[in-house]
Amino acid sequence: NAGVTQTPKFRVLKTGQSMTLLCAQDMNHEYMYWYRQDPGMGLRLIHYSVGEGTTAKGEVPDGYNVSRLKKQNFLLGLESAAPSQTSVYFCASSSLSYEQYFGPGTRLTVT
Amino acid sequence: AQKITQTQPGMFVQEKEAVTLDCTYDTSDQSYGLFWYKQPSSGEMIFLIYQGSYDEQNATEGRYSLNFQKARKSANLVISASQLGDSAMYFCAMRISSASKIIFGSGTRLSIRP
Repeated sequence: NAGVTQTPKFRVLKTGQSMTLLCAQDMNHEYMYWYRQDPGMGLRLIHYSVGEGTTAKGEVPDGYNVSRLKKQNFLLGLESAAPSQTSVYFCASSSLSYEQYFGPGTRLTVT
Repeated sequence: AQKITQTQPGMFVQEKEAVTLDCTYDTSDQSYGLFWYKQPSSGEMIFLIYQGSYDEQNATEGRYSLNFQKARKSANLVISASQLGDSAMYFCAMRISSASKIIFGSGTRLSIRP
């Protein structure tokens, strides 16, 4: 039982490059979330999903796209990375009314 | 608009003392849940405690308790007998049932002095 895993753990991109962050959970959770954490800002919700095939925008969705083709996976895409997207990205999953389980985070640097 | 406010950016506490971390929230929903998470310097997010808006008793989990005052819209975390390992960032969060999402406060950095 791995819980929530994120791939990759670290990445450095040049401005304008694209990449996809993968989140996987093995707890059969309906809900999945992507957050970014900047110093002193807490966690801000980028996008979330309430089930396979559904996605919704969070607080800071601009510059990101997501897909939930399978229940266990939630992908976060950056089509054209910008230095402002340098951050630590956390994925989380939960069932209906309970706490979120977080992945270990992905540290992304855009130069 | 839904919002979580943590007004203490940082706190220093002597080991073995009790500490209260403040959290206020704003929502017009009647059904919601409140959470506290701990983030040590290693970066992972650790769930500590949960309080539902309809729960009449304050939640407790070991040394953690949540002081829930619904009329004041506050959900303070109380840590009894603090330990050096309690040094970390602490985040208050709220799930709004009608929106299926969780929003976080900006966090409080707690430092325990030996």
